[in-house]
Amino acid sequence: SQQGEEDPQALSIQEGENATMNCSYKTSINNLQWYRQNSGRGLVHLILIRSNEREKHSGRLRVTLDTSKKSSSLLITASRAADTASYFCATDGDYGGATNKLIFGTGTLLAVQP
Amino acid sequence: AAGVIQSPRHLIKEKRETATLKCYPIPRHDTVYWYQQGPGQDPQFLISFYEKMQSDKGSIPDRFSAQQFSDYHSELNMSSLELGDSALYFCASSLGTGTYEQYFGPGTRLTVT
Repeated sequence: SQQGEEDPQALSIQEGENATMNCSYKTSINNLQWYRQNSGRGLVHLILIRSNEREKHSGRLRVTLDTSKKSSSLLITASRAADTASYFCATDGDYGGATNKLIFGTGTLLAVQP
Repeated sequence: AAGVIQSPRHLIKEKRETATLKCYPIPRHDTVYWYQQGPGQDPQFLISFYEKMQSDKGSIPDRFSAQQFSDYHSELNMSSLELGDSALYFCASSLGTGTYEQYFGPGTRLTVT
């Protein structure tokens, strides 16, 4: 990936447990977004956090952003089997050009065992 | 709520053929982005349009071209297809070019044989 790396690359947990995924990036950003992708299917937008925000919640999702460490984390609480998917972080910044193209991390494959 | 529509959903072509992928953004969205996702890879930015003008270009081969029409839909034209072009092609749309979320379509799976 040009910009970000995610860890772990794969995560397997039991239903009801919490799942934490981390994303690191290299250059300064305007925003960081998290997406979910079920196998070979479309990208579903989960949450956007701006560079001046430190934490954001949406339902069972909690995202943190530490711009000093150039990292973000996605926490899914009380996981469900339906949360099984790949999770990508994507950043936009002053990469040149007039639109906010996204640069994606390498993704974390989450498997939630029933 | 209306989402981004892409067509076709699946496409099989032979080497050296051409392909056209279509994207219909969410109503009122004026910015369209194209991304390519190879097998097991993260999505890579190809090209984007704002108000029918090309606004940014990424790792798009010269064999590919794209445009955005007056109704804001966009088409990605791919010529002289190669085996390595086999991938999922996503279109995303957003409202404006500021700090807005990008919403992705379901993708077109292109297989080149």
